[in-house]
Amino acid sequence: AQTVTQSQPEMSVQEAETVTLSCTYDTSESDYYLFWYKQPPSRQMILVIRQEAYKQQNATENRFSVNFQKAAKSFSLKISDSQLGDAAMYFCACRNNAGNMLTFGGGTRLMVKP
Amino acid sequence: NAGVTQTPKFQVLKTGQSMTLQCAQDMNHNSMYWYRQDPGMGLRLIYYSASEGTTDKGEVPNGYNVSRLNKREFSLRLESAAPSQTSVYFCASRSRDRWSGANVLTFGAGSRLTVL
Repeated sequence: AQTVTQSQPEMSVQEAETVTLSCTYDTSESDYYLFWYKQPPSRQMILVIRQEAYKQQNATENRFSVNFQKAAKSFSLKISDSQLGDAAMYFCACRNNAGNMLTFGGGTRLMVKP
Repeated sequence: NAGVTQTPKFQVLKTGQSMTLQCAQDMNHNSMYWYRQDPGMGLRLIYYSASEGTTDKGEVPNGYNVSRLNKREFSLRLESAAPSQTSVYFCASRSRDRWSGANVLTFGAGSRLTVL
């Protein structure tokens, strides 16, 4: 079984500043994947970044990076140089390597102030 | 454009009515999924299909049935809708990234269902 917890229902950031969204998870799997998805008002789910648990190096995708702390089961998302288009719901998710199930957290609504 | 297509985008039902949400993907993916999204609860898996002809229950399957009609299509049926099924429903299909080997989901645009 897996659980994913996002403790911040809402976050706010000033345009061009940096913001970090928190995520903790629990899994009994030894090998798994972690994801951050973005859901804009259009409701489309867009993959932002993914991290393989066996990799120690934190994943980065342009302005998006993660802080993966495996021992602490923490997987936070850092957005640098925030843009107005970053405003959306962000979901953290965990998937085990062998199974078909992807477990999502409850989401964090990010607001970007001009 | 390649992707996951869901219909309808919006639907209002009365309690006890039935309906089917349709989902199709043109990416030749084997695995397909149905999730529901409720405020504060993220997305919860209803049913999934690992391949054509197979379906399995997810986290919240009660009140739903699915059909994997062929490799492209995976439908979700509500036989007797209840207000608790008011939600936004997402279909997704799974692919393997050819470089990293990681599996990722591609989602449809969602279907908002209201049961009165």
